[in-house]
Amino acid sequence: GAVVSQHPSWVICKSGTSVKIECRSLDFQATTMFWYRQFPKQSLMLMATSNEGSKATYEQGVEKDKFLINHASLTLSTLTVTSAHPEDSSFYICSAQVALAGSEQFFGPGTRLTVL
Amino acid sequence: AQRVTQPEKLLSVFKGAPVELKCNYSYSGSPELFWYVQYSRQRLQLLLRHISRESIKGFTADLNKGETSFHLKKPFAQEEDSAMYYCALRDRGNTPLVFGKGTRLSVIA
Repeated sequence: GAVVSQHPSWVICKSGTSVKIECRSLDFQATTMFWYRQFPKQSLMLMATSNEGSKATYEQGVEKDKFLINHASLTLSTLTVTSAHPEDSSFYICSAQVALAGSEQFFGPGTRLTVL
Repeated sequence: AQRVTQPEKLLSVFKGAPVELKCNYSYSGSPELFWYVQYSRQRLQLLLRHISRESIKGFTADLNKGETSFHLKKPFAQEEDSAMYYCALRDRGNTPLVFGKGTRLSVIA
């Protein structure tokens, strides 16, 4: 199956700093990428949908100025957590799929962010 | 609004016993239904989708539109089936997935 990678796999940062997480589709071109957030022992919560070359669509309650998403190429999307605070600590997961209708979403391994 | 309900947070069964992981959904249209599995320290991966009507690793799931359910079943549980299972739905096309809260399956030897 198709492979999606995320980098870094974990990151610890100080409160007030910004952190960038990369999501890459390694062997296919992903026209759409999704960013999810997962709290401990809870389900995945969709944050935003990112289409290549256009602005991301954010879910209600997700601050677009706080979570900056860029999908500049068909194989790379980035999520930047700006001015991170301890409450932003979470597991961030991306998924990617091609434009074909009904295509499968492939998930990255996730990035654990800890804000001190 | 789209909603996926998995009533059981944890399900423990003995090896060789039948397994049924429940999933109910709320959606006004004709959604696609999926089961995803997450083994320990691994990424989320697709297990089944209702349009495929196939059996993967001995698991099957039938979409019941009348009961709005998509329960996951396996006649004989194996220890390697121990994992977190998520039911999900999406509208037709490439819309985002909506996940249930997940059920942790523990198969006891």
